[in-house]
Amino acid sequence: EVQLVESGGGLVKPGGSLRLSCAASGLTFSNAWMSWVRQAPGKGLEWVGRIKSKTDGGTTDYAAPVKGRFTISRDDSKNTLYLQMNSLKTEDTAVYYCTTGCRISGTYYPNAFDIWGQGTMVTVSS
Amino acid sequence: QSVLTQPPSASGTPGQRVTISCSGSSSNIGSKTVNWYQQLPGTAPKLLIYSNNQRPSGVPDRFSGSKSGTSASLAISGLQSEDEADYYCAAWDDSLNGYVFGTGTKVTVL
Repeated sequence: EVQLVESGGGLVKPGGSLRLSCAASGLTFSNAWMSWVRQAPGKGLEWVGRIKSKTDGGTTDYAAPVKGRFTISRDDSKNTLYLQMNSLKTEDTAVYYCTTGCRISGTYYPNAFDIWGQGTMVTVSS
Repeated sequence: QSVLTQPPSASGTPGQRVTISCSGSSSNIGSKTVNWYQQLPGTAPKLLIYSNNQRPSGVPDRFSGSKSGTSASLAISGLQSEDEADYYCAAWDDSLNGYVFGTGTKVTVL
């Protein structure tokens, strides 16, 4: 069974830092492009950023609101994705999901997110 | 503020057909494929449609997607009570160099 499990969420003060982890199982993690998506309470979905597979360059892309503050990394030896969040703001309060694309009939769709974790809550408040 | 605009709500009675629109621009829908997600209350989103009009395995054929120019649509035919959820369109945006979700549409089954 393919599974993504996030951890590391919690309460942090504005200006603080937090690192989220996403443990993957049941998929070839090293080949996967991984993304983080967040959802503020009562609001819609917001893409945070992604990291490509190392074979595709391992590069990262970020949404404007988090660029320069958040860093996505991966450890393929541990099948784990990370989201390092610095200089946190109250508007970063959200459920954070890790997700990845799908492979259908031999074609990989990196932006068709069909595997999602259960999410981890991050609350930024004084 | 999302660059993909959806109506905030849509509704229908059981068995009816409901259509949700998603309006974008040349840098996203106009040049990229569109995906649709369903999110039931308190759960993670689920991929409903990928590549404009393709259904992943297990998604009922009551759900269909289409795209024309800088707009896309999701249709739910034969509406059922379990379809009551939030629906989001999404696409890559070349100008933003990022993935963008629509504003979301809450579907209510009357």
